[in-house]
Amino acid sequence: DVKVTQSSRYLVKRTGEKVFLECVQDMDHENMFWYRQDPGLGLRLIYFSYDVKMKEKGDIPEGYSVSREKKERFSLILESASTNQTSMYLCASSERQGSPLGEQYFGPGTRLTVT
Amino acid sequence: GNSVTQMEGPVTLSEEAFLTINCTYTATGYPSLFWYVQYPGEGLQLLLKATKADDKGSNKGFEATYRKETTSFHLEKGSVQVSDSAVYFCALRAYYKLSFGAGTTVTVRA
Repeated sequence: DVKVTQSSRYLVKRTGEKVFLECVQDMDHENMFWYRQDPGLGLRLIYFSYDVKMKEKGDIPEGYSVSREKKERFSLILESASTNQTSMYLCASSERQGSPLGEQYFGPGTRLTVT
Repeated sequence: GNSVTQMEGPVTLSEEAFLTINCTYTATGYPSLFWYVQYPGEGLQLLLKATKADDKGSNKGFEATYRKETTSFHLEKGSVQVSDSAVYFCALRAYYKLSFGAGTTVTVRA
């Protein structure tokens, strides 16, 4: 089974703190994604990575950055957390882009609260 | 751009009732369509998918048919169970990117 794990299920941080969310997948997938999930808005893509050290902005990249130094690990960084970044963060991975089998597999999510 | 609109919830049903969740999409080209399900406290799981017009996806008693003429991908189940209580997301994939609907919360009561 594909497994996508996220470092924390729940996280509470203070405004202005630097926050790291970690995601690891064990299926040697090329693509990895970070989404945030908010009630009534569904999931919105923050950043996407299609290879080590490669990244592309999603729909809402402002206030976030990412790092992918190893194929299996994709980190989301909040440089200076703000209260409007309180949300559920979901990581996903998939096979290489364009693959007909490229469905995305999701981690359990990290619920981040910024106070 | 690409977008997905699904019926708003919450939806509350009794066990063995019929469930329909409407989903329509706007997209250029020929996207693949998906239904994902999120059970309480868990991440999203792929429920079913369809990759071209008139394809029917099915899984766990759920079905959805890719209707290009009406740009729809409605989810149906003939007899729901308490264990089907979850949030359901319709999504489309164009290239690498998934675009999601807002989600529909379904509660099934015994």
